[in-house]
Amino acid sequence: QQQVKQSPQSLIVQKGGISIINCAYENTAFDYFPWYQQFPGKGPALLIAIRPDVSEKKEGRFTISFNKSAKQFSLHIMDSQPGDSATYFCAAQVYNNNDMRFGAGTRLTVKP
Amino acid sequence: DSGVTQTPKHLITATGQRVTLRCSPRSGDLSVYWYQQSLDQGLQFLIQYYNGEERAKGNILERFSAQQFPDLHSELNLSSLELGDSALYFCASSANRDTSGNTIYFGEGSWLTVV
Repeated sequence: QQQVKQSPQSLIVQKGGISIINCAYENTAFDYFPWYQQFPGKGPALLIAIRPDVSEKKEGRFTISFNKSAKQFSLHIMDSQPGDSATYFCAAQVYNNNDMRFGAGTRLTVKP
Repeated sequence: DSGVTQTPKHLITATGQRVTLRCSPRSGDLSVYWYQQSLDQGLQFLIQYYNGEERAKGNILERFSAQQFPDLHSELNLSSLELGDSALYFCASSANRDTSGNTIYFGEGSWLTVV
């Protein structure tokens, strides 16, 4: 069962542009929402995470926006760079439950 | 390099067989997690061990089992293999018991192909 729906499946952005990846969840008990970045041949790496007590979290060029009422959250990558080209996964879990549910992934390509 | 070591990197085996995947966590990490990544199912949490004890269980099939040894390395055993078990299996580790708010570090995965 897909509890976290992620879109788009793939995304092509020009260098310097804004990349936006969206996720929606169903389980209202979810209260921890991380984003992972995965390069080819590597395992996922935690990029940024948010809890629902805030609507936005920013770390450098990466921002999570969270809409609790809509059960949606998104990742914004500002000033996208070719080095950001990777697959991005959103995820959700009940806090400290550890059974993390992942979105299907978005393959981002940033063209120079 | 995440510091999590997985072996083997690639494995090809026949249906019905049994394989063992091995994971060495980062130095000092007490939690080990196993995930399966496949084209049709995406990335799925299988199971977590913390300091030798099972801590959390996800979508792990009964044909699969895992354990964490006193030296904290972990093994994932996959038996009666089916074609659909072909996937990339990740091990991850963290210092803490819980993932929320804590960074978990993934290894580079073990590619399993069942033919």
